[in-house]
Amino acid sequence: DAGVTQSPTHLIKTRGQQVTLRCSPKSGHDTVSWYQQALGQGPQFIFQYYEEEERQRGNFPDRFSGHQFPNYSSELNVNALLLGDSALYLCASSLREGADTQYFGPGTRLTVL
Amino acid sequence: GQNIDQPTEMTATEGAIVQINCTYQTSGFNGLFWYQQHAGEAPTFLSYNVLDGLEEKGRFSSFLSRSKGYSYLLLKELQMKDSASYLCAVRSRFSGGYQKVTFGIGTKLQVIP
Repeated sequence: DAGVTQSPTHLIKTRGQQVTLRCSPKSGHDTVSWYQQALGQGPQFIFQYYEEEERQRGNFPDRFSGHQFPNYSSELNVNALLLGDSALYLCASSLREGADTQYFGPGTRLTVL
Repeated sequence: GQNIDQPTEMTATEGAIVQINCTYQTSGFNGLFWYQQHAGEAPTFLSYNVLDGLEEKGRFSSFLSRSKGYSYLLLKELQMKDSASYLCAVRSRFSGGYQKVTFGIGTKLQVIP
């Protein structure tokens, strides 16, 4: 049973560039949530996707956008990168219904220079 | 909105017991999670409480009091490998049935010989 997978594991970009991060949820899960975790902080909720639509959103600017595909996998896009976007980006999958917990992928470490 | 408080750092001795507290304020409460996160890695699920009381799982136990907005994680027979950050996270349910998980800043636990 494959868990949550993310790609790439590490990424280095420069200010102003755009980046796309990818996530495949745990088998059987239909909901994907994205988090940003800066060094020394807890994960901050970016948004959640279910049925290919954004359902919930945290306090992140429009530069952060996403997509969910029919196979439940998801992408996180960040435009016009800023130095402050450097962080670990975590994807978590869960079931919309039910009390199952949320499982995290290994994360993508993004460094913006 | 949601507000989650937990100590930022704790130190405990190998073989001892440590209790990590978490207080929260939220609407639409639908469960509290504890995650363990080693440096540079993704959070891993430890426990889940949705009803009041104590849940025990080996060396780890978690307690919840919904009326007090309070939880704790109890780690027994501490081992050096337990040195990590421990994240308290609260799940809330919104209209439409969608759920969102909000994390605290995390408690960095250092286990010393």
